[in-house]
Amino acid sequence: GENVEQHPSTLSVQEGDSAVIKCTYSDSASNYFPWYKQELGKGPQLIIDIRSNVGEKKDQRIAVTLNKTAKHFSLHITETQPEDSAVYFCAASSLGMEYGNKLVFGAGTILRVKS
Amino acid sequence: DTGVSQNPRHKITKRGQNVTFRCDPISEHNRLYWYRQTLGQGPEFLTYFQNEAQLEKSRLLSDRFSAERPKGSFSTLEIQRTEQGDSAMYLCASSPGGTSYEQYFGPGTRLTVT
Repeated sequence: GENVEQHPSTLSVQEGDSAVIKCTYSDSASNYFPWYKQELGKGPQLIIDIRSNVGEKKDQRIAVTLNKTAKHFSLHITETQPEDSAVYFCAASSLGMEYGNKLVFGAGTILRVKS
Repeated sequence: DTGVSQNPRHKITKRGQNVTFRCDPISEHNRLYWYRQTLGQGPEFLTYFQNEAQLEKSRLLSDRFSAERPKGSFSTLEIQRTEQGDSAMYLCASSPGGTSYEQYFGPGTRLTVT
């Protein structure tokens, strides 16, 4: 089955700096890679996703890149703000009725933005 | 905002008791998922419904766990004879269906088994 590894486990940055979180996956059938932000006491919130037919996707200060050959994908947050502090999870899935589209998550990265 | 809702938000029970959680998905989302999250870990898949049909179950879902989605709308997750190892956050997510695969999570139900 799919296995997703996420690094680093904790990341501290100064406000205004960039943050990068990296994930690797094992199953070449995976073709959908969402990122979630989870704040204390809340459920994961979808912040951006990418499908395997795309190499990069941006949404304001957030971008995700995908390297299918190396089986890794990364989350980039620019101009970090204190409200970006949270736990971030990457996930991988194989889309299609035959797969069920279940998400396999990484272990998470605690991001602290220091003001 | 009619996001995914879960009830109760917190449940404390004694070992050996049965508990039931409810999930109300976003309206007209025909896919519904249950995940379990323990402290410091990412969510782990438990089971998946397409409308009222339960199409996949994880090996994590022992025979003490049962899930239903009787009319293809809300879902319930029941744990019988709870054990301390069942203590976790139980998360529900829904997805629109068709070619839209984004999963939107609810706030979760925190279960503590004493």
